[in-house]
Amino acid sequence: DSGVTQTPKHLITATGQRVTLRCSPRSGDLSVYWYQQSLDQGLQFLIQYYNGEERAKGNILERFSAQQFPDLHSELNLSSLELGDSALYFCASSVGGDLTGELFFGEGSRLTVL
Amino acid sequence: AQSVAQPEDQVNVAEGNPLTVKCTYSVSGNPYLFWYVQYPNRGLQFLLKYITGDNLVKGSYGFEAEFNKSQTSFHLKKPSALVSDSALYFCAVRDWGGATNKLIFGTGTLLAVQP
Repeated sequence: DSGVTQTPKHLITATGQRVTLRCSPRSGDLSVYWYQQSLDQGLQFLIQYYNGEERAKGNILERFSAQQFPDLHSELNLSSLELGDSALYFCASSVGGDLTGELFFGEGSRLTVL
Repeated sequence: AQSVAQPEDQVNVAEGNPLTVKCTYSVSGNPYLFWYVQYPNRGLQFLLKYITGDNLVKGSYGFEAEFNKSQTSFHLKKPSALVSDSALYFCAVRDWGGATNKLIFGTGTLLAVQP
């Protein structure tokens, strides 16, 4: 158990809909990262938050947004969903000040868009 | 830009034999390199990392990795494979773009250990 909790584990929805994925980082971790894993794109970095502030941005679509709340949990919002958004979305956390440390991953939220 | 390459989509090895999963990197500064493992329907688990120091890094579950600066490689190794080692293995490099610890992952190598 990594200590990172993601909900929901599975989600099935239709094109055009909006969903919210939630992540609770390990206790004490200030940084949260979102990754998308799909068969054709592999593991793609989406976005990072550190103590409530956006720290780094990757290949995140404009239809997607994220935030980190004062209690450090994070949400990834996916809107106007398309079939190609079907993927496994991972959240990871790390101790904020350590730039050499590993990331701790949750078990992912599997999104299926029909 | 930082990147890693995993040239093999799949590696097959018999139980008890040594295994190697290959990774090469391209970085513009000092490389911070990582190996992660993903079991079916699970998240990624950290195995080991190279930051500085000895070129041979030991990690979890008996895995080790050898950092080779001249060949820009960071291959994952284990002296004796177990069936339970069968999983998807990812090499990753820390991105030096700003004060972030984000990792750039390779495409993954599926390790299949036959009994």
